[in-house]
Amino acid sequence: DQQVKQNSPSLSVQEGRISILNCDYTNSMFDYFLWYKKYPAEGPTFLISISSIKDKNEDGRFTVFLNKSAKHLSLHIVPSQPGDSAVYFCASSDNYGQNFVFGPGTRLSVLP
Amino acid sequence: ETGVTQSPTHLIKTRGQQVTLRCSSQSGHNTVSWYQQALGQGPQFIFQYYREEENGRGNFPPRFSGLQFPNYSSELNVNALELDDSALYLCASTSGGASSYEQYFGPGTRLTVT
Repeated sequence: DQQVKQNSPSLSVQEGRISILNCDYTNSMFDYFLWYKKYPAEGPTFLISISSIKDKNEDGRFTVFLNKSAKHLSLHIVPSQPGDSAVYFCASSDNYGQNFVFGPGTRLSVLP
Repeated sequence: ETGVTQSPTHLIKTRGQQVTLRCSSQSGHNTVSWYQQALGQGPQFIFQYYREEENGRGNFPPRFSGLQFPNYSSELNVNALELDDSALYLCASTSGGASSYEQYFGPGTRLTVT
């Protein structure tokens, strides 16, 4: 029973174009959502977050959109750079950060 | 400011043995969470410690146990190791008490059970 789904295991994008990574969740009690980036042999690195009271949060090249009615969030990276190539995890929490549920990840490849 | 560190980096154990993994939290952080990441999957929450007390637990059996020390470093202990325990074990710390959402992860310990 996957509460957080990332249905695209991989994504390839040309350098300079937009990368869109998607995440769906089933638990309507989730109130905070985060995106992490992971390089090989390193732990996940926090990228950007959004609370359920917002529908958009922007930080530089990264924007997260939340559609609560559809239980869907997306991460937009514009413009994409080769250094963005990594595995991206979507994570959600419903209990004041005590229990984060992660999706399986999407591997992004940004081609020069 | 030092980040989250974990030791050892890699570990090979035999089924039935016990293992202890260690984590030093980021400076100023008092909450530590442990995750298990199997190959090709996202991290799965094991438990969280806040000020030396367990503060939440995922769907893991009691043979997974932990400790947090007064300096906020932490240990994960796994007894009676099984082959399925082979995974990357990640530790993450947060500041501002148990309600802080933004976790900072260590590089992980790769455990192989044979």
